[in-house]
Amino acid sequence: QVQLVESGGGVVQPGGSLRLSCAASGFTLSNYGMHWVRQAPGKGLEWVAFIRYDGSNKYYTDSVKGRFTISRDNSKNTVYMEMNSLRGEDTAVYYCAKDPRITSTTITGWFDPWGQGTLVTVSS
Amino acid sequence: QSVLTQPPSASGTPGQRVTISCSGSSSNIGSYYVYWYQQFPGTAPKLLIYRNNQRPSGVPDRFSGSKSGTSASLAISGLRSEDEADYYCAAWDDSLSGVVFGGGTKLTVL
Repeated sequence: QVQLVESGGGVVQPGGSLRLSCAASGFTLSNYGMHWVRQAPGKGLEWVAFIRYDGSNKYYTDSVKGRFTISRDNSKNTVYMEMNSLRGEDTAVYYCAKDPRITSTTITGWFDPWGQGTLVTVSS
Repeated sequence: QSVLTQPPSASGTPGQRVTISCSGSSSNIGSYYVYWYQQFPGTAPKLLIYRNNQRPSGVPDRFSGSKSGTSASLAISGLRSEDEADYYCAAWDDSLSGVVFGGGTKLTVL
């Protein structure tokens, strides 16, 4: 079955860096776009970034542009999120989620399935 | 302040029908599909409705979605205690060039 497993979360100081990983299994990762969505403690969902199935296009929410980089290694069945210059407001559970449409070239709010999430805490 | 507007809370008694609204604009709901997610405390969200009104396999037909103009709604009929959860709407927004979510609605089954 399709499974997404995030890792790499932890506690980091403001201004620090962290790299999240999302290991995919049960499907051919190279055929699907992938998202990162985050949820601050006690708050709602916020879309963070998307990478096209072939890695040719990447999209980010304004608050992370220039600080976060989404990437993928289809040979390792893994999607990454490199996070730099971290701020307190980046504290959240970060979920990776699959776009269920094969080789799609557009973005929608369609996420299925989601991983279990990894917690990132930015604090001194 | 979320781009899509949902009521923060909703409630109903077992067996009742409850609706949750999601209001947007021409740059999101008015032009693109709406998606709905269900989230229980401490767990990842789960897809409930896709493309405005389609149910994934395994989602009970008690859940239904609709869209009209720049607003969308999620209806839950025959309310059950296990429906108590947070519900979120989502859509692409071409003014922001990003996916936008509603702030979420906490559903309580009385």
